[in-house]
Parts: sequence; C-alpha cells; structure tokens
Amino acid sequence: DTGVSQDPRHKITKRGQNVTFRCDPISEHNRLYWYRQTLGQGPEFLTYFQNEAQLEKSRLLSDRFSAERPKGSFSTLEIQRTEQGDSAMYLCASSSKLAGLPGYTFGSGTRLTVV
Amino acid sequence: AQKITQTQPGMFVQEKEAVTLDCTYDTSDPSYGLFWYKQPSSGEMIFLIYQGSYDQQNATEGRYSLNFQKARKSANLVISASQLGDSAMYFCAMREATDSWGKLQFGAGTQVVVTP
Repeated sequence: DTGVSQDPRHKITKRGQNVTFRCDPISEHNRLYWYRQTLGQGPEFLTYFQNEAQLEKSRLLSDRFSAERPKGSFSTLEIQRTEQGDSAMYLCASSSKLAGLPGYTFGSGTRLTVV
Repeated sequence: AQKITQTQPGMFVQEKEAVTLDCTYDTSDPSYGLFWYKQPSSGEMIFLIYQGSYDQQNATEGRYSLNFQKARKSANLVISASQLGDSAMYFCAMREATDSWGKLQFGAGTQVVVTP
C-alpha cells in the first residue's frame, strides 16, 4: 500500500460543467477526509467519512458539492455547475485510530482550474 | 472564528541557521492535538511533528522541535540547522478531541525560503 491516491492530478474544466474527483485511501484506514486549498492559504475542511458514513460536512460544502464513499473504501467528490471560485487544490486524507502517528496521510491532491 | 493563527506569511533564513515559526491556537476543549506539516511546491502535505495537549514534554523529531506553551496557547515550530530542502510552506493544524481523529483545522501557513 503506497499511500493515498488521488485522481486526476489536474483538471481543467469550463464554467458550468460537472467534475468528479476520486480518492483511494490507505486500505486499513477507516476515516477519509476532503479539504480544499486555495492558493496561498491553508487547507479548509470540507467533509469526512467513517467507513461509508458521512459524519460531518462543512458549511463550505454548498449544494453543488457532494461526496460519497459507497463501500467504505474509495471516495468521490463531485462538483456540479462549476464556478471560477471552485478553482483550488482538493486534498484527500485518510486516518485510523489504530494507525498511530502521523495519523493523517494526505494524497497529492487534485488541482482544479475552472475557466 | 479563526482557530489557528500563523502571523508570519513569509520568512527568509540562511542555510544552517535555526528558524522559529509561530502558531497560536484557540480552543475550549481541554484535550486537543497540534500538528505541523510541510508542503513543498509539489503539493503533498508532509507530517513533521505532533504535540498532545496533555504531553508533559515538548515534542522533538530530528531537526524539528515544538515549543509548546499551553497557557499562552502557543505551539511554535523550531527548525534547527536549516537546509535548502526545507524551503516550503509550513502549516500548523489542530484537532479538537471531542471527536478522536476528527477534522484538522489549519492555519494560513508560513512560506520559508532557505538561502545559501
């Protein structure tokens, strides 16, 4: 297991289009998190799952955003009707209480550009 | 309200010198964890060091140490003997333990540039 994988690494889309990102966590990790990071800022929490249950959603996660983790393994983050303000790096992380430190392992992110 | 504050947007440091990155936090939870991450230009978040609120001693990991002042709600990162490869963004983050291994809350980061 080589860590948290995110696909695609980069996505350019036209305003108004829908996009979907995928995150594959470390297989033993039961928690999965999504963050959004805009240029020059720290990551902002969007949502997280424990197994397939979505436990918390940030107010940042508007109705255009939806995340799923249907079988408690990989997760998808969909943005509908993209806007230019959605341009950001979308980071996924996974964790497990049993994993010890560092606790959270991050993927390399998906960079979204909305034109 | 901002929970993690990093007041230094950017810093230059000479190779082999030590640098201190400031972080203050705000929480009413008696149990919490503080993390520092490094993010190079490639984008991945690299874990550096962790301090639990009940830990009696300041955390150390190689060239990284955390100056934890609980009463002041301060958790500054000290990098000793800076190397050119230390040039990156550095983020302080907090997890409040009302939900173990819940979300991390990040500061805005400090850009460190190490010069020869």
